[in-house]
Amino acid sequence: AQSVTQLDSQVPVFEEAPVELRCNYSSSVSVYLFWYVQYPNQGLQLLLKYLSGSTLVESINGFEAEFNKSQTSFHLRKPSVHISDTAEYFCAVGENTGFQKLVFGTGTRLLVSP
Amino acid sequence: DGGITQSPKYLFRKEGQNVTLSCEQNLNHDAMYWYRQDPGQGLRLIYYSQIVNDFQKGDIAEGYSVSREKKESFPLTVTSAQKNPTAFYLCASSMGREYNEQFFGPGTRLTVL
Repeated sequence: AQSVTQLDSQVPVFEEAPVELRCNYSSSVSVYLFWYVQYPNQGLQLLLKYLSGSTLVESINGFEAEFNKSQTSFHLRKPSVHISDTAEYFCAVGENTGFQKLVFGTGTRLLVSP
Repeated sequence: DGGITQSPKYLFRKEGQNVTLSCEQNLNHDAMYWYRQDPGQGLRLIYYSQIVNDFQKGDIAEGYSVSREKKESFPLTVTSAQKNPTAFYLCASSMGREYNEQFFGPGTRLTVL
C-alpha cells in the first residue's frame, strides 16, 4: 500500500520569499499525486496534480510541483509567497491500479508573515 | 453550481448521543468518502462508497456507520460507540475511476460535550 510523508509540520516564511513544501511517497506501483490547500475551517481545494506526462506541473496562482520518480518526491514550490498563501497544504498519493483510495500526508502549515 | 454540501457547519451533541452528518453532491460522481481530521494527523478515511448501495470501511470505521441509498447522498452517523468523536469531518466525492481526484465539501465541526 502507498504512503505519504510530509516532514515539515510548519513552515514560517516572510512575504515575497521563496518556499518549498516537501512531500515524499512510497509505493510499489506507478502513482499519481495531488497537492491540496485548506484554509481555516474550510474543506480542501485542489491546488495541482500529476497524473502522467510532464513531471513539472503548475497551478494558476504561481505554485509548481515536480514529480521525481527516482527520489519518490513531489515537492511544492513557489518563488514568491503572499500573505494570502497562509494555509495548510496536503500532499496525497493514489496508485494506478484501478479504483484506489487516496492516502494523505499529515499536512504542512505555511505561515507567511509581513 | 455543481458541488458538495455538508450540513450543519457546526454541531454540538451530548456524550452518548448518536448524530448524523449530511453530505450531498450534484457532480454526478459515483464514489463518495468520509474523512476525519484532527490537528497534526491529516485526513483519516472513515468509510467510502464506490456505487449506490455499497460501501467499505476505511482505516478508522469503528464507532461510525454510513448508508448510500442514493447516488447524491452519503450520510455519516457518529454513534455513541465512538470514543472520541470531537473532530472536523470532511466529505468528498470523485468519478471513482483511475486518477481519482477528489472534490471536498466545506466540512462539519462536531463537538461532543
